[in-house]
Amino acid sequence: KAGVTQTPRYLIKTRGQQVTLSCSPISGHRSVSWYQQTPGQGLQFLFEYFSETQRNKGNFPGRFSGRQFSNSRSEMNVSTLELGDSALYLCASSPGTGLAEKLFFGSGTQLSVL
Amino acid sequence: AQSVTQPDIHITVSEGASLELRCNYSYGATPYLFWYVQSPGQGLQLLLKYFSGDTLVQGIKGFEAEFKRSQSSFNLRKPSVHWSDAAEYFCAVGIKAAGNKLTFGGGTRVLVKP
Repeated sequence: KAGVTQTPRYLIKTRGQQVTLSCSPISGHRSVSWYQQTPGQGLQFLFEYFSETQRNKGNFPGRFSGRQFSNSRSEMNVSTLELGDSALYLCASSPGTGLAEKLFFGSGTQLSVL
Repeated sequence: AQSVTQPDIHITVSEGASLELRCNYSYGATPYLFWYVQSPGQGLQLLLKYFSGDTLVQGIKGFEAEFKRSQSSFNLRKPSVHWSDAAEYFCAVGIKAAGNKLTFGGGTRVLVKP
């Protein structure tokens, strides 16, 4: 069974640009969560999608957005990039939205903003 | 809001020695508790989790953790460390009402000396 797939693996952008990251969950998983990991702030929750609906949202500005498609694949978008957006973005999928389900994390997309 | 503290940023341990990583959380009720491990450039792998019941939890790779409600702690232990255990370890908490949103501690980086 394939794991959580995140593309691209690495990304370099310049300030002011926008970026879209993609996450394909494990087959059959309907919940996708996104996390940002930086050396300074650690791991922070961005949002969770379940059955194409945003289930929960972290404390990030509106420049960070996401969506989920009918096949459970998810994308997150960051507009007007800032230097501080440089981070490892991790996606996690789960069969359901309850915490009793096991979260499986992808290897992440490393975003560098120059 | 819940918070998680991992007091030790770095720990160096000799191969074959025991390891204990500390985790303290702040939350009014008993949250769900997790330990994850992250190798460089990789995503997070779940080591173990505690939801209820027996306060001593066994996980993968020979790890175990003990939940102590009176101390709001969930410390991770391994009796004998292998060189492959060198990685960063994260404690996380969640609550059922928040779906798959986890709050992570700052992480403890473990170095293993030969």
